[in-house]
Amino acid sequence: DTAVSQTPKYLVTQMGNDKSIKCEQNLGHDTMYWYKQDSKKFLKIMFSYNNKELIINETVPNRFSPKSPDKAHLNLHINSLELGDSAVYFCASSQDLWEQETQYFGPGTRLLVL
Amino acid sequence: LAKTTQPISMDSYEGQEVNITCSHNNIATNDYITWYQQFPSQGPRFIIQGYKTKVTNEVASLFIPADRKSSTLSLPRVSLSDTAVYYCLVGVRLTGGGNKLTFGTGTQLKVEL
Repeated sequence: DTAVSQTPKYLVTQMGNDKSIKCEQNLGHDTMYWYKQDSKKFLKIMFSYNNKELIINETVPNRFSPKSPDKAHLNLHINSLELGDSAVYFCASSQDLWEQETQYFGPGTRLLVL
Repeated sequence: LAKTTQPISMDSYEGQEVNITCSHNNIATNDYITWYQQFPSQGPRFIIQGYKTKVTNEVASLFIPADRKSSTLSLPRVSLSDTAVYYCLVGVRLTGGGNKLTFGTGTQLKVEL
């Protein structure tokens, strides 16, 4: 069984559209994250949720809205997509929010905005 | 905010030891240093973690000097399958208070025969 799964794996869409990426973890972890990896392979944290509560909200445009219906799920909705949103988005989870907790990453969602 | 920097790339041959250094001048006092490995089309995967001095596990060693402003991941006797991008992850002190989880810039390791 996959520990952290994301859907879809690939997403190609037009500028201005709205899209969602889903993430699920079956590890029983309390904390989940969204990261963005750009074309230069830089990884940046976007959001972090702990027990369904938003903990970290980095400087991310308001067009990005995370939603955590329960501890096992953290979805990312993006409104009015722009060319610069093209990237790989990774979901991750950890047992707790502490920095020393190992994070388990999903396989990534490759978003291409045309 | 100072970046957490790594060499962009390193080349090595099978059987050699590889040392990858991460510079993190603004590391938060109580935060650990964690290293991840990423293969193409996959998410990062945990390798090793430490707070100070030296940590060793079955795949790598991590060396952290007393001032903790850098750390070195050491991979003994690399093989072709170690070709990947390696990232450090640290909590960085923010000017206004608090910490921010920050990945290093990543090092592409290429291992050849």
